Parts: sequence; structure tokens; C-alpha cells
Amino acid sequence: DQQVKQNSPSLSVQEGRISILNCDYTNSMFDYFLWYKKYPAEGPTFLISISSIKDKNEDGRFTVFLNKSAKHLSLHIVPSQPGDSAVYFCAASYTGNQFYFGTGTSLTVIP
Amino acid sequence: DVKVTQSSRYLVKRTGEKVFLECVQDMDHENMFWYRQDPGLGLRLIYFSYDVKMKEKGDIPEGYSVSREKKERFSLILESASTNQTSMYLCASSSPQGRSSAFFGQGTRLTVV
Repeated sequence: DQQVKQNSPSLSVQEGRISILNCDYTNSMFDYFLWYKKYPAEGPTFLISISSIKDKNEDGRFTVFLNKSAKHLSLHIVPSQPGDSAVYFCAASYTGNQFYFGTGTSLTVIP
Repeated sequence: DVKVTQSSRYLVKRTGEKVFLECVQDMDHENMFWYRQDPGLGLRLIYFSYDVKMKEKGDIPEGYSVSREKKERFSLILESASTNQTSMYLCASSSPQGRSSAFFGQGTRLTVV
């Protein structure tokens, strides 16, 4: 049973606009959430994370928002750039030992 | 710079062959993982290990085994490769201390013909 879900398989955004990627989870025990970026034929690279004690974490153009009551997190990229085109995975953890990944959202930033 | 290194970027194997995928990390991490990535299915956990000689089954362990004889090395073994094991295989490592991310290798694209 998928505990972390990304319901949008793909997203297209104009360069300079905001990209919003969404993720939902079912396990209320999760206390740490991460976003990864993956280019074709490469391994995922860590992008940004958030602890469950926070509702927002920002790193440059990337901001992650966490809504615990809705069991929902989102990644905002502002402004979007063509180099941001990749597959984005959200992940969650509650033991520090195992990570549960979503199915990914393919972002295309159109120049 | 932290590193997780997988032994091969691309592999082509025949059905029925025994296949070894090797992964080495230089971060002294206790945890190591093997995932496979397939379109529309995301990253699915095959096996993970939280210590030398320790292993736990993930979501899709059937047809696979693992070996962890040294802390830095985690091997995935396909006992008898089948065409439905054609996939991208990703190794990762992490520390269980505090809240840390998992670091991934570059991936191995395995094709079974």
C-alpha cells in the first residue's frame, strides 16, 4: 500500500513562473519529509527537507510546505528555470532508518 | 564530497544468469538500501541493511538477495535474472542519527534479454 502519493505524474510550467509539486501521505507517524530531484540516467539528488515540527522550510528558490492536519506537503520552485526540468520525488521517514517514496512528478519548464 | 558508487552504469544480461550489483559508500553510514525505479511506480525498496550482516526485506524482495559483509559495501544479487527485472537499480545510504537524507548512487540500468 502506497504510503506516500504523488497524484500528478507530470507538470508543465513556463520559465519564470512558479512550479508547485504536491505530495500526500497516509502514515501519521512520519516526522521527516524530503524532496529529491532526478535527471534521466542519474541517481536522485537531495533537494530540501522538512521536519514535522515545522510548516515551512526555504532554501533559495525552493520552499517546502507541510500541512500535517491534511497530511500534505508541497514543493514550490520560484522562479522556475529550464534546468529544473526533472522528475521530483517526495519521501517520508519516521524511524530514521527507512524512506518511503512517492511515484514521482515529471516537471517540464518551458523556455 | 560524499559518495555512493555503483559498480556499473549499464548492464546487459541474459535470462537465467546470476547478476551481481555492487555498491560502495564512503560516508561510514550504517544504513544502505537497494531500490528499483520503474516508470509510473516510483522508487520501490527491494532490501535494506542497517548494519553489517543485517538485512531486511523491502516491498519487492522476490527474486533478489543481498549481502553486506563490510559496512561500506552492499551487494544486490539477482539469483536468476528474468526480463521483468529489467529496470534502473539505485543504491543509497544514510545515517540513522538524527534526521538525515539518503544519498544515492548514479544508478545501474540493467537490461535482461
